[in-house]
Amino acid sequence: KAGVTQTPRYLIKTRGQQVTLSCSPISGHRSVSWYQQTPGQGLQFLFEYFSETQRNKGNFPGRFSGRQFSNSRSEMNVSTLELGDSALYLCASSLALSNTEAFFGQGTRLTVV
Amino acid sequence: AQRVTQPEKLLSVFKGAPVELKCNYSYSGSPELFWYVQYSRQRLQLLLRHISRESIKGFTADLNKGETSFHLKKPFAQEEDSAMYYCALRVKDSSYKLIFGSGTRLLVRP
Repeated sequence: KAGVTQTPRYLIKTRGQQVTLSCSPISGHRSVSWYQQTPGQGLQFLFEYFSETQRNKGNFPGRFSGRQFSNSRSEMNVSTLELGDSALYLCASSLALSNTEAFFGQGTRLTVV
Repeated sequence: AQRVTQPEKLLSVFKGAPVELKCNYSYSGSPELFWYVQYSRQRLQLLLRHISRESIKGFTADLNKGETSFHLKKPFAQEEDSAMYYCALRVKDSSYKLIFGSGTRLLVRP
């Protein structure tokens, strides 16, 4: 069974641009969560999607958004990029909202210059 | 406030020595705690969860509600245990989310 796949693996953008990251969950998993990992703040929850609906949101500005498609694939978008958005963005999938085990992807390393 | 604290950024031990990675949490609800591990160049993966009371790769962790702790222990460290270890608390508001500690890098020296 293929694991969680995130694309692209690496991305370099300039300030003010926008970026879209993609996550394909494990087949059959319907819940997708996104996390931001930085050296200073560690791993922080961004949002969770289930059945194409955002079910939970972390404490991030509105520039961070996401969506989920009917096949459970998810995208997150960051608009008006700032230098501080440079981070590793991790996606995790679970069978369902209540399922306790989250499977993580390799992440997308975003660098904002 | 919901918080997970891992006080040690780096823990260095010799092979065969006992290991204890500390984790304390703050949560008003009923806690669900996990340990995740990230080996070099690999993805973050679940090591163990407190509800399973399992031992994985020789590691165990006991939830102590009185001390609000969930320390990870192994009696005899191996070099292949060298990795980043994250303690995580699963909390429920509108749905579930994981709150991670800042992580402890375990270095097992030969």
